[in-house]
Amino acid sequence: GNSVTQMEGPVTLSEEAFLTINCTYTATGYPSLFWYVQYPGEGLQLLLKATKADDKGSNKGFEATYRKETTSFHLEKGSVQVSDSAVYFCALRNGAGGTSYGKLTFGQGTILTVHP
Amino acid sequence: ETGVTQSPTHLIKTRGQQVTLRCSSQSGHNTVSWYQQALGQGPQFIFQYYREEENGRGNFPPRFSGLQFPNYSSELNVNALELDDSALYLCASSFHGPRNEQFFGPGTRLTVL
Repeated sequence: GNSVTQMEGPVTLSEEAFLTINCTYTATGYPSLFWYVQYPGEGLQLLLKATKADDKGSNKGFEATYRKETTSFHLEKGSVQVSDSAVYFCALRNGAGGTSYGKLTFGQGTILTVHP
Repeated sequence: ETGVTQSPTHLIKTRGQQVTLRCSSQSGHNTVSWYQQALGQGPQFIFQYYREEENGRGNFPPRFSGLQFPNYSSELNVNALELDDSALYLCASSFHGPRNEQFFGPGTRLTVL
């Protein structure tokens, strides 16, 4: 079955530091890959996505590249801000066809805290 | 455009009781998916509703059931509550189709004592 594994957390950084959150996956076929962010007391927001191998998703300074050869989708940001403090989830979704109905499979989440 | 809304925000129940959680989908969206997020974990897919019928189900027992109404809003019902049912329940709406983005509501925090 499908699964997503994220790096063990939490992650604590100083403002303007470089961020990497690792994500690897197991899936059949050609899944789409996502990063979601959850701010305190809120639901999930889509941060970025990639739908095929070698695609790079980017948004708000965050980037992730779909690496099929290493089954990875690591999240990076060159300079984090205090406002980036949140929980980050890596997720996958199988493509169309068969019994697929677009369900998302999530990793366990990584708590990011950024200090001034 | 109104986003996905859920009610109530918080709920406290005791073991053995039944609970109903509600979700209003984003304007125009005809598909609703429900997820359970236990503390410190990622969300897990419960089921999806489209055209008022269950369209897919995750690894949850039958005491988790749902409904979808003609206006596309949805309910999640859980019978015979157990302590492990304590979690944040997230609703997501989308247009029908496995490639369409799901938009999440803020969730309902359920505590079972």
